[in-house]
Amino acid sequence: DSGVTQTPKHLITATGQRVTLRCSPRSGDLSVYWYQQSLDQGLQFLIQYYNGEERAKGNILERFSAQQFPDLHSELNLSSLELGDSALYFCASSVAGGQGEYEQYFGPGTRLTVT
Amino acid sequence: GNSVTQMEGPVTLSEEAFLTINCTYTATGYPSLFWYVQYPGEGLQLLLKATKADDKGSNKGFEATYRKETTSFHLEKGSVQVSDSAVYFCALRGRGTGNQFYFGTGTSLTVIP
Repeated sequence: DSGVTQTPKHLITATGQRVTLRCSPRSGDLSVYWYQQSLDQGLQFLIQYYNGEERAKGNILERFSAQQFPDLHSELNLSSLELGDSALYFCASSVAGGQGEYEQYFGPGTRLTVT
Repeated sequence: GNSVTQMEGPVTLSEEAFLTINCTYTATGYPSLFWYVQYPGEGLQLLLKATKADDKGSNKGFEATYRKETTSFHLEKGSVQVSDSAVYFCALRGRGTGNQFYFGTGTSLTVIP
Protein backbone atom coordinates (compact mmCIF):
# COMPACT_ATOMS: atom_id res chain seq x y z
CA ASP A 1 0.00 0.00 0.00
CA SER A 2 1.57 3.26 -1.20
CA GLY A 3 -0.53 5.50 1.02
CA VAL A 4 -2.05 7.27 -1.99
CA THR A 5 -5.78 6.77 -2.34
CA GLN A 6 -7.93 7.28 -5.39
CA THR A 7 -11.67 7.20 -5.79
CA PRO A 8 -13.64 5.84 -7.44
CA LYS A 9 -11.93 2.63 -8.48
CA HIS A 10 -14.12 2.22 -11.57
CA LEU A 11 -16.25 4.70 -13.45
CA ILE A 12 -18.51 4.03 -16.41
CA THR A 13 -20.11 6.98 -18.15
CA ALA A 14 -21.42 8.08 -21.51
CA THR A 15 -19.86 10.29 -24.16
CA GLY A 16 -20.37 13.98 -23.55
CA GLN A 17 -20.53 13.61 -19.79
CA ARG A 18 -18.29 15.07 -17.11
CA VAL A 19 -16.60 13.19 -14.29
CA THR A 20 -14.40 14.02 -11.33
CA LEU A 21 -11.61 11.78 -10.11
CA ARG A 22 -10.26 12.25 -6.61
CA CYS A 23 -6.82 11.65 -5.15
CA SER A 24 -5.50 11.90 -1.60
CA PRO A 25 -1.71 12.01 -1.39
CA ARG A 26 0.44 10.30 1.20
CA SER A 27 0.56 12.07 4.51
CA GLY A 28 3.17 14.81 4.30
CA ASP A 29 3.44 14.84 0.51
CA LEU A 30 2.92 18.24 -1.07
CA SER A 31 3.09 17.33 -4.75
CA VAL A 32 0.40 15.52 -6.71
CA TYR A 33 0.78 14.26 -10.27
CA TRP A 34 -1.87 12.94 -12.63
CA TYR A 35 -1.20 10.40 -15.37
CA GLN A 36 -3.29 8.75 -18.04
CA GLN A 37 -2.48 5.19 -19.02
CA SER A 38 -4.01 3.78 -22.17
CA LEU A 39 -3.10 0.78 -24.27
CA ASP A 40 -1.98 2.78 -27.28
CA GLN A 41 -0.38 5.78 -25.56
CA GLY A 42 1.36 4.25 -22.58
CA LEU A 43 1.78 6.36 -19.44
CA GLN A 44 1.20 10.02 -20.18
CA PHE A 45 1.92 12.78 -17.69
CA LEU A 46 -1.00 15.19 -17.45
CA ILE A 47 -0.35 17.74 -14.75
CA GLN A 48 1.43 18.38 -11.46
CA TYR A 49 0.39 20.45 -8.46
CA TYR A 50 2.59 21.49 -5.59
CA ASN A 51 1.07 22.82 -2.40
CA GLY A 52 -2.03 24.05 -4.17
CA GLU A 53 -0.41 25.56 -7.22
CA GLU A 54 0.05 24.20 -10.71
CA ARG A 55 3.73 23.31 -11.17
CA ALA A 56 4.02 21.50 -14.50
CA LYS A 57 1.76 20.66 -17.39
CA GLY A 58 2.08 17.73 -19.73
CA ASN A 59 -0.20 16.34 -22.41
CA ILE A 60 -3.41 17.50 -20.79
CA LEU A 61 -6.36 18.27 -23.04
CA GLU A 62 -8.26 21.53 -22.69
CA ARG A 63 -11.34 19.49 -21.75
CA PHE A 64 -9.46 18.30 -18.67
CA SER A 65 -8.64 20.36 -15.61
CA ALA A 66 -7.32 19.72 -12.15
CA GLN A 67 -6.91 21.44 -8.83
CA GLN A 68 -5.31 20.82 -5.47
CA PHE A 69 -7.17 21.88 -2.37
CA PRO A 70 -5.84 23.31 0.93
CA ASP A 71 -5.95 19.85 2.51
CA LEU A 72 -3.71 18.76 -0.43
CA HIS A 73 -6.16 16.34 -1.99
CA SER A 74 -6.55 16.78 -5.72
CA GLU A 75 -9.33 16.38 -8.24
CA LEU A 76 -9.08 15.76 -11.96
CA ASN A 77 -12.10 16.93 -13.94
CA LEU A 78 -12.77 15.41 -17.34
CA SER A 79 -15.51 16.96 -19.44
CA SER A 80 -17.15 16.41 -22.83
CA LEU A 81 -15.93 12.86 -22.59
CA GLU A 82 -15.05 10.93 -25.72
CA LEU A 83 -14.59 7.22 -26.28
CA GLY A 84 -10.85 7.79 -26.53
CA ASP A 85 -10.74 9.09 -22.95
CA SER A 86 -11.29 5.56 -21.68
CA ALA A 87 -8.14 4.75 -19.73
CA LEU A 88 -6.62 4.20 -16.34
CA TYR A 89 -5.97 7.47 -14.52
CA PHE A 90 -3.25 7.39 -11.92
CA CYS A 91 -2.43 9.87 -9.25
CA ALA A 92 1.00 9.98 -7.66
CA SER A 93 2.41 12.02 -4.84
CA SER A 94 5.85 13.02 -3.67
CA VAL A 95 7.32 15.02 -0.85
CA ALA A 96 8.63 17.96 -2.78
CA GLY A 97 8.08 19.84 -5.99
CA GLY A 98 11.51 21.43 -6.29
CA GLN A 99 15.03 20.22 -5.75
CA GLY A 100 15.71 17.15 -3.71
CA GLU A 101 15.96 13.41 -3.96
CA TYR A 102 12.53 11.87 -3.91
CA GLU A 103 10.36 9.44 -5.81
CA GLN A 104 6.71 9.31 -6.69
CA TYR A 105 4.24 7.03 -4.96
CA PHE A 106 1.36 5.88 -7.11
CA GLY A 107 -2.24 5.25 -6.22
CA PRO A 108 -4.17 2.20 -7.45
CA GLY A 109 -5.78 4.14 -10.27
CA THR A 110 -9.29 4.89 -11.50
CA ARG A 111 -10.45 2.95 -14.51
CA LEU A 112 -12.66 5.16 -16.66
CA THR A 113 -14.83 3.60 -19.34
CA VAL A 114 -16.66 5.91 -21.71
CA THR A 115 -19.47 4.23 -23.66
CA GLY B 1 14.38 18.04 -23.84
CA ASN B 2 13.98 15.05 -21.55
CA SER B 3 12.88 11.65 -22.77
CA VAL B 4 13.22 7.95 -22.05
CA THR B 5 13.46 5.18 -24.60
CA GLN B 6 12.77 1.67 -23.46
CA MET B 7 13.10 -1.62 -25.26
CA GLU B 8 9.83 -2.79 -26.64
CA GLY B 9 8.14 -5.89 -25.39
CA PRO B 10 6.60 -8.13 -24.74
CA VAL B 11 9.41 -10.20 -23.28
CA THR B 12 8.81 -13.84 -22.42
CA LEU B 13 11.38 -15.77 -20.41
CA SER B 14 11.59 -19.13 -18.71
CA GLU B 15 11.99 -19.22 -14.96
CA GLU B 16 15.61 -18.73 -13.80
CA ALA B 17 16.59 -17.05 -17.07
CA PHE B 18 18.65 -13.84 -17.14
CA LEU B 19 16.73 -10.63 -17.73
CA THR B 20 17.86 -7.40 -19.36
CA ILE B 21 15.51 -4.57 -20.21
CA ASN B 22 17.26 -1.73 -21.99
CA CYS B 23 16.63 1.89 -21.16
CA THR B 24 18.34 4.96 -22.56
CA TYR B 25 17.59 8.56 -21.81
CA THR B 26 18.01 12.08 -23.09
CA ALA B 27 18.18 14.82 -20.51
CA THR B 28 19.53 18.25 -19.83
CA GLY B 29 21.73 18.30 -16.79
CA TYR B 30 21.97 15.35 -14.42
CA PRO B 31 18.67 13.59 -13.91
CA SER B 32 17.72 10.96 -11.37
CA LEU B 33 16.76 7.60 -12.87
CA PHE B 34 14.15 5.12 -11.76
CA TRP B 35 12.65 1.76 -12.54
CA TYR B 36 9.01 1.26 -11.64
CA VAL B 37 7.07 -2.01 -11.79
CA GLN B 38 3.35 -2.45 -12.38
CA TYR B 39 1.81 -5.77 -11.42
CA PRO B 40 -1.50 -6.72 -13.05
CA GLY B 41 -4.37 -4.57 -11.80
CA GLU B 42 -2.17 -2.38 -9.62
CA GLY B 43 -0.49 1.00 -9.69
CA LEU B 44 3.18 1.58 -10.31
CA GLN B 45 5.65 0.80 -7.54
CA LEU B 46 9.18 2.04 -7.27
CA LEU B 47 11.58 -0.83 -7.88
CA LEU B 48 14.92 0.96 -7.67
CA LYS B 49 16.58 4.28 -8.33
CA ALA B 50 19.94 5.97 -8.90
CA THR B 51 20.57 9.65 -8.44
CA LYS B 52 24.03 10.19 -9.90
CA ALA B 53 26.44 8.75 -12.43
CA ASP B 54 27.87 5.30 -11.61
CA ASP B 55 25.30 4.74 -8.86
CA LYS B 56 23.83 1.25 -8.81
CA GLY B 57 20.26 0.82 -7.69
CA SER B 58 19.18 -2.61 -6.49
CA ASN B 59 16.12 -4.25 -5.02
CA LYS B 60 14.59 -7.75 -4.98
CA GLY B 61 17.45 -9.11 -7.07
CA PHE B 62 17.07 -6.44 -9.75
CA GLU B 63 19.92 -4.05 -10.52
CA ALA B 64 20.52 -1.05 -12.74
CA THR B 65 23.59 1.16 -13.08
CA TYR B 66 23.45 4.83 -14.03
CA ARG B 67 25.80 5.12 -17.01
CA LYS B 68 26.31 8.74 -17.96
CA GLU B 69 28.70 7.97 -20.81
CA THR B 70 26.13 5.81 -22.60
CA THR B 71 23.06 7.60 -21.13
CA SER B 72 21.67 4.25 -20.09
CA PHE B 73 20.01 2.62 -17.11
CA HIS B 74 19.46 -1.00 -18.11
CA LEU B 75 17.52 -3.25 -15.74
CA GLU B 76 18.97 -6.70 -15.02
CA LYS B 77 18.13 -9.73 -12.93
CA GLY B 78 20.15 -12.89 -12.83
CA SER B 79 17.32 -15.36 -12.33
CA VAL B 80 13.72 -14.37 -12.92
CA GLN B 81 10.73 -15.92 -11.20
CA VAL B 82 7.13 -16.30 -12.27
CA SER B 83 6.24 -13.63 -9.70
CA ASP B 84 8.36 -11.10 -11.64
CA SER B 85 5.79 -11.08 -14.43
CA ALA B 86 4.75 -7.44 -14.69
CA VAL B 87 5.23 -4.29 -16.75
CA TYR B 88 8.47 -2.42 -16.10
CA PHE B 89 8.83 1.33 -16.64
CA CYS B 90 12.05 3.27 -16.86
CA ALA B 91 11.74 6.91 -15.78
CA LEU B 92 13.80 10.00 -15.24
CA ARG B 93 13.28 13.08 -13.16
CA GLY B 94 14.93 16.20 -14.34
CA ARG B 95 16.36 18.92 -12.16
CA GLY B 96 15.00 22.43 -12.05
CA THR B 97 11.56 23.89 -11.78
CA GLY B 98 8.80 21.34 -11.88
CA ASN B 99 11.05 18.31 -11.74
CA GLN B 100 8.66 16.49 -13.98
CA PHE B 101 8.94 12.74 -14.35
CA TYR B 102 9.33 11.26 -17.81
CA PHE B 103 8.36 7.62 -18.28
CA GLY B 104 9.24 5.11 -20.96
CA THR B 105 6.49 3.21 -22.70
CA GLY B 106 6.85 0.17 -20.46
CA THR B 107 8.08 -3.36 -21.16
CA SER B 108 5.82 -6.27 -20.42
CA LEU B 109 7.59 -9.29 -18.95
CA THR B 110 6.05 -12.74 -18.72
CA VAL B 111 7.96 -15.49 -16.94
CA ILE B 112 6.83 -19.04 -17.64
CA PRO B 113 7.53 -21.98 -15.35
